[in-house]
Amino acid sequence: QSVLSQPPSASGTPGQRVTISCSGSSSNIGSNAVNWYQQLPGKAPKVLIYANDMRPSGVPDRFSGSKSGTSASLAISGLQSDDEADYYCAAWDDSLNGHVVFGGGTKLTVL
Amino acid sequence: QVQLVQSGAEVKKPGSSVKVSCKSSGGPFSTYAISWVRQAPGQGLEWMGGIIPILHTPNYAQKFQGRLTITADQSTSTVYMELRSLKSDDTAVYYCARSAIPSAISNWFDPWGQGTLVSVSS
Repeated sequence: QSVLSQPPSASGTPGQRVTISCSGSSSNIGSNAVNWYQQLPGKAPKVLIYANDMRPSGVPDRFSGSKSGTSASLAISGLQSDDEADYYCAAWDDSLNGHVVFGGGTKLTVL
Repeated sequence: QVQLVQSGAEVKKPGSSVKVSCKSSGGPFSTYAISWVRQAPGQGLEWMGGIIPILHTPNYAQKFQGRLTITADQSTSTVYMELRSLKSDDTAVYYCARSAIPSAISNWFDPWGQGTLVSVSS
């Protein structure tokens, strides 16, 4: 049972826009920044979005993040076949001396 | 750029311990936290704990308190993760990951190590 809640799956066709939600609480998303990670099959995760809505260099602007209250979202526009991966949100949680919490992950399928 | 290289796969018996290493190169070491994140087969990511090497004071997830030890050796730029009293559900890929910002254990990890598979079976 993950602290942050994500839908287990999402799908779209090439060129479409999809969004993935991440829901938390006041001790994590409500008071700290959210990062998003992409994990391709058999690979280590890679940061996609940091500080809620910032893209590291090299990440296409098709990927965008947002946060409102205790929820965050990742949007992918112009969906491509190689976007098929698992996506995880993460936040710092201020409870219990502080720790990192992840969402359960969303498997994105490009139809 | 910074690279993290982890030790190789391990096969362990229930009740034993495992120690996995994570060697950093290509950038500053002591002031950037290294965390350990594990992923059981077909499951999501789970943060275990982290350490800022220069402080030598780890922060552990409550679930692993008493069973996990994270240490750092500044002379070799290596962080170690030791998990004791292994059970079959500790079977997972264990990743080390560096905080992208100095002086804090954060949820912004970049880069990640390649992962180390630890299999626990009798």
